[in-house]
Amino acid sequence: AQKITQTQPGMFVQEKEAVTLDCTYDTSDQSYGLFWYKQPSSGEMIFLIYQGSYDEQNATEGRYSLNFQKARKSANLVISASQLGDSAMYFCAMREKGGYNKLIFGAGTRLAVHP
Amino acid sequence: EAQVTQNPRYLITVTGKKLTVTCSQNMNHEYMSWYRQDPGLGLRQIYYSMNVEVTDKGDVPEGYKVSRKEKRNFPLILESPSPNQTSLYFCASSLALAGGIDTQYFGPGTRLTVL
Repeated sequence: AQKITQTQPGMFVQEKEAVTLDCTYDTSDQSYGLFWYKQPSSGEMIFLIYQGSYDEQNATEGRYSLNFQKARKSANLVISASQLGDSAMYFCAMREKGGYNKLIFGAGTRLAVHP
Repeated sequence: EAQVTQNPRYLITVTGKKLTVTCSQNMNHEYMSWYRQDPGLGLRQIYYSMNVEVTDKGDVPEGYKVSRKEKRNFPLILESPSPNQTSLYFCASSLALAGGIDTQYFGPGTRLTVL
């Protein structure tokens, strides 16, 4: 069965430092997509970054990058130069080919950025 | 502005009192779905709809109903709410056969408490 595992319930980082949020996934499909979402305290889901299973390069979006290691089935999110506004819950999610855009989510990691 | 709206945003009710959470999107998306978010479990899909009059169960459909009479609207119905349905609910929409970076647009969430 498809599954997303986020092993870090909570993380903290000093402002301006980089932080890595872990995500591993389990799927038997060859074609799939991996997403990261941010959920601030206000509750909305904010799309951050996407990685396709056939993409050869790691995705980057501004201060966000996705460390994609296909053989290890990991898709870690790296946030560089953390800001206080990065404090939030972060979810890793997977969409499989033919899954009609259904997303399978991990349990989430709560990140706290300290000044 | 492309958006998914949900109403109400907050609701406190009592066991057994029927309620409806509305969801509407203005992007002419075929695919709509409902998720619930619970601590430690991430988001789980309740129901989804591929188009008007086409709905199907997600991973946690028990105790919920949906309808899709119009393309833009996808209400979630709890006919006899119970305390275990206390949760944060998200409606989402997207193109039907998503590929690549096509992602889901999430509504702002509805926080439901059933006493």
